[in-house]
Amino acid sequence: DTGVSQNPRHKITKRGQNVTFRCDPISEHNRLYWYRQTLGQGPEFLTYFQNEAQLEKSRLLSDRFSAERPKGSFSTLEIQRTEQGDSAMYLCASSLAGGGGPDTQYFGPGTRLTVL
Amino acid sequence: AQTVTQSQPEMSVQEAETVTLSCTYDTSENNYYLFWYKQPPSRQMILVIRQEAYKQQNATENRFSVNFQKAAKSFSLKISDSQLGDTAMYFCAFMKPQNTGANSKLTFGKGITLSVRP
Repeated sequence: DTGVSQNPRHKITKRGQNVTFRCDPISEHNRLYWYRQTLGQGPEFLTYFQNEAQLEKSRLLSDRFSAERPKGSFSTLEIQRTEQGDSAMYLCASSLAGGGGPDTQYFGPGTRLTVL
Repeated sequence: AQTVTQSQPEMSVQEAETVTLSCTYDTSENNYYLFWYKQPPSRQMILVIRQEAYKQQNATENRFSVNFQKAAKSFSLKISDSQLGDTAMYFCAFMKPQNTGANSKLTFGKGITLSVRP
């Protein structure tokens, strides 16, 4: 169990540029979540996948955001035409759902995005 | 919609002492899960403890225990024998159970910054 990994750990970009983040979940975990965390706040849900299917998207996820999980393994989160308000920590979590107990999520280290 | 409230933004405790972090939540669900996560400075979020609402017994994990009061919708975390490594931001979180067909997303409070003094 190598844990959830995210790349890059830090990204600085200029307003208007596109950025893409990657998340590698714990192997065999069928659910994958994306959250956004701004300074001094708790994480807020963005979207989640069960295997390769994206099952829900938050209203926080504007049209400029897109997420994929093409083979039910790693996931990417792309932000197009970045804005300064997109500056935040983007967290990925994974879980193994269907075991009958709580869907305990394990978090990655996050990608800190700074939009200049 | 569920809400989670952590009204204390910061707390401080002397090493080896006990501290209690407060959390309240609001939901119309009868069954759900509650979690405490720890986020050390510049490090990733780690699960501390979880509680299933249908269990009356309070969860315990080593030095960490909860006081779950379902009627009051309160879920506090007690840390005994505080250690310097406990310095972190602590988040209380709520989750609906999967069998309601609901997305198992976590709804977090704003967090509380705990500092352990040597």
